[in-house]
Amino acid sequence: LAKTTQPISMDSYEGQEVNITCSHNNIATNDYITWYQQFPSQGPRFIIQGYKTKVTNEVASLFIPADRKSSTLSLPRVSLSDTAVYYCLVNRDDKIIFGKGTRLHILP
Amino acid sequence: SQTIHQWPATLVQPVGSPLSLECTVEGTSNPNLYWYRQAAGRGLQLLFYSVGIGQISSEVPQNLSASRPQDRQFILSSKKLLLSDSGFYLCAWSTGLYGYTFGSGTRLTVV
Repeated sequence: LAKTTQPISMDSYEGQEVNITCSHNNIATNDYITWYQQFPSQGPRFIIQGYKTKVTNEVASLFIPADRKSSTLSLPRVSLSDTAVYYCLVNRDDKIIFGKGTRLHILP
Repeated sequence: SQTIHQWPATLVQPVGSPLSLECTVEGTSNPNLYWYRQAAGRGLQLLFYSVGIGQISSEVPQNLSASRPQDRQFILSSKKLLLSDSGFYLCAWSTGLYGYTFGSGTRLTVV
């Protein structure tokens, strides 16, 4: 399974765009990149998934460069409720391994 | 629609007592099922996963076991709890590569 590296924590302010970058240097051809969000005392929630280039949904955008060795989750105009831990995952098999994630703290 | 049920929500158990946490999935067939544990302030640790009835893969050797007696039922057990078994236990399911759905979790405190 490909290992991922992402910042341990980030702070931002309400209304700002937040970009969280994840490195996955040994990503394999069949791997997809998936991001999850976790609030305290809740299970992780699927945010977005992509294979290459750009994916956008109602919550976020995911940017993946051509070499696919990294990816960036972009959260537009964050609010206090976006304070959570964000996990970047690379998976192709029947199981996924979570890293430590990025603890995002949104300030008023 | 698919739903996942996990209970109880909280549990306080004495050291040495047994444990049984149950997870059931509705609205899907032959899901992959998973048990994760999250210690306070830590990431999620994959404990067990199952791709079918009676098929259990253990990721971390420890004081816990898992069983899948039915297609949509996954049970996490222990014969004798340790203090180190305290944590937030999450059940999850998937039907393939695209996204996992997690239950609401069980917060276990071993005292």
